[in-house]
Amino acid sequence: DAGVIQSPRHEVTEMGQEVTLRCKPISGHDYLFWYRQTMMRGLELLIYFNNNVPIDDSGMPEDRFSAKMPNASFSTLKIQPSEPRDSAVYFCASSGTDNEQFFGPGTRLTVL
Amino acid sequence: DAKTTQPPSMDCAEGRAANLPCNHSTISGNEYVYWYRQIHSQGPQYIIHGLKNNETNEMASLIITEDRKSSTLILPHATLRDTAVYYCIVRVANSGYALNFGKGTSLLVTP
Repeated sequence: DAGVIQSPRHEVTEMGQEVTLRCKPISGHDYLFWYRQTMMRGLELLIYFNNNVPIDDSGMPEDRFSAKMPNASFSTLKIQPSEPRDSAVYFCASSGTDNEQFFGPGTRLTVL
Repeated sequence: DAKTTQPPSMDCAEGRAANLPCNHSTISGNEYVYWYRQIHSQGPQYIIHGLKNNETNEMASLIITEDRKSSTLILPHATLRDTAVYYCIVRVANSGYALNFGKGTSLLVTP
């Protein structure tokens, strides 16, 4: 298995633009998590899904952020409009029944 | 989830054992101790987890005190590639629970 796949690996955009981050979880995993990492706040959970259904989105900072999981093999995290304070590394992780979470390589987002 | 306390940084000589402590004095009976690490610019990586018995795998050993209020992650023969931030996380063992990362311990393995 290729592991959790995220794209793009790097994204540079201007304030106000829409940003879409993508994640392909490990096949067979029924949990998918989106985390964000900044120097100030460390690693924090944004939202997670179980069987494609959002379970807890209390970590989503505000309405500018939205996440979807249209099927078991794909999820998106969208920021619209983006702001400089959204600059961070965004990680996607998935897990199955073994409790271990597998993380992707992350997307480094820079909003100018 | 129970709160954990870890030293912010540690050093270890290459080839020696690295012993990373973690305090979790408010741990509940159904909560496990998990360890993850994050090598620079990579996603976090699972290392090991345990409930009350000591655990060992190909990466590390986990020693949990009898009262479960603290634990130690042991890397038996540290290499330069073990330089990373190590996170001790306490949570119920269920895939539906997210990981609550704290600040972790930054381990520097030196030649």
